[in-house]
Amino acid sequence: KAGVTQTPRYLIKTRGQQVTLSCSPISGHRSVSWYQQTPGQGLQFLFEYFSETQRNKGNFPGRFSGRQFSNSRSEMNVSTLELGDSALYLCASSLGSGGDEQYFGPGTRLTVT
Amino acid sequence: GIQVEQSPPDLILQEGANSTLRCNFSDSVNNLQWFHQNPWGQLINLFYIPSGTKQNGRLSATTVATERYSLLYISSSQTTDSGVYFCAVETGFQKLVFGTGTRLLVSP
Repeated sequence: KAGVTQTPRYLIKTRGQQVTLSCSPISGHRSVSWYQQTPGQGLQFLFEYFSETQRNKGNFPGRFSGRQFSNSRSEMNVSTLELGDSALYLCASSLGSGGDEQYFGPGTRLTVT
Repeated sequence: GIQVEQSPPDLILQEGANSTLRCNFSDSVNNLQWFHQNPWGQLINLFYIPSGTKQNGRLSATTVATERYSLLYISSSQTTDSGVYFCAVETGFQKLVFGTGTRLLVSP
């Protein structure tokens, strides 16, 4: 069974631009969660989608948004990029029933200059 | 919100040594996972262990949910075990709260 895939793997953007990251979950998994990892803040939860609905949200500004498609693939968007948005963005896939094991993709490393 | 603390923050071992990593959490949880983050950033699943004890080769883990802690044991460590180890607890639907990690360096 194929694992979680994320595209692109690396991205360089300029302050003020916007960016879209993509995540394809494991086949049969309906939940996709997004996390941001920075050296200062560690790993932080952004949001979770299940059956095309956002079910849970972390403490991030509205510039961070996401969506999920009917095939469970998910995208997250960051608008008006700031230098502090430079981070490793990880998505996780799970069945979505609550309390089940989550599997992570390889991540997208975003650098904002 | 829930607090997740890991100790020690850094650990240096000689190849072949054993080690114990600890994860304390401040409230009851639905789920607890241990991960190893490789040098490229990917989180590799080690254990899904909301309670009890599990073993996988040289690694084993124990979670005592009633006392709100989990332990990860690494025996006969190898240089490939180097990296950062995270525990993460689930507090709501699919929301994992991560500890700050233990950075392990195994030298030959």
